[in-house]
Amino acid sequence: EDQVTQSPEALRLQEGESSSLNCSYTVSGLRGLFWYRQDPGKGPEFLFTLYSAGEEKEKERLKATLTKKESFLHITAPKPEDSATYLCAVQAGTSYDKVIFGPGTSLSVIP
Amino acid sequence: GAGVSQSPSNKVTEKGKDVELRCDPISGHTALYWYRQSLGQGLEFLIYFQGNSAPDKSGLPSDRFSAERTGGSVSTLTIQRTQQEDSAVYLCASSGETQYFGPGTRLLVL
Repeated sequence: EDQVTQSPEALRLQEGESSSLNCSYTVSGLRGLFWYRQDPGKGPEFLFTLYSAGEEKEKERLKATLTKKESFLHITAPKPEDSATYLCAVQAGTSYDKVIFGPGTSLSVIP
Repeated sequence: GAGVSQSPSNKVTEKGKDVELRCDPISGHTALYWYRQSLGQGLEFLIYFQGNSAPDKSGLPSDRFSAERTGGSVSTLTIQRTQQEDSAVYLCASSGETQYFGPGTRLLVL
């Protein structure tokens, strides 16, 4: 069964303290892995798409990497405005473009 | 439009009533998804439309839930005889290569 897990469930960082969020997946035929940011009361906001192992994408203080089993979202020198829930999702190689979401990691960055 | 829009933004209803939630996808996007997000939970897939193909309804939690997509554009999610456990945020997304989400409809069933 296709599955996506994320760890940790919650992460509390001091401003400037770099860290990484993990997304592990078991799917048949990965077509794409997505990272989203979700602020309270809002829909998820797209951050990155990764398609193949070894691929990396960067945006400001965020960098996403992908291996055959997992993806990491690295946050360098985070700021309080980076506080949000970060969602990982995968699109598997089925006949339908179903996207499976992980439960998310809630990040709090303390000034 | 510039993004995915959903209406209403908030809906309060009484147990047993029917509700309709609307989604306007990004123009040109052929795929449309409905998800449900309960408080503090991840996104639960409900239903997926792709062009004129039969929808993937595998995520609908019961036969009280149904969805339509008219003319390959606007979609309506209908919940009949609402129950308190239906209270959640209902998110719609459309995609070309990337999924973009609407702001959601917050449903509260009293």
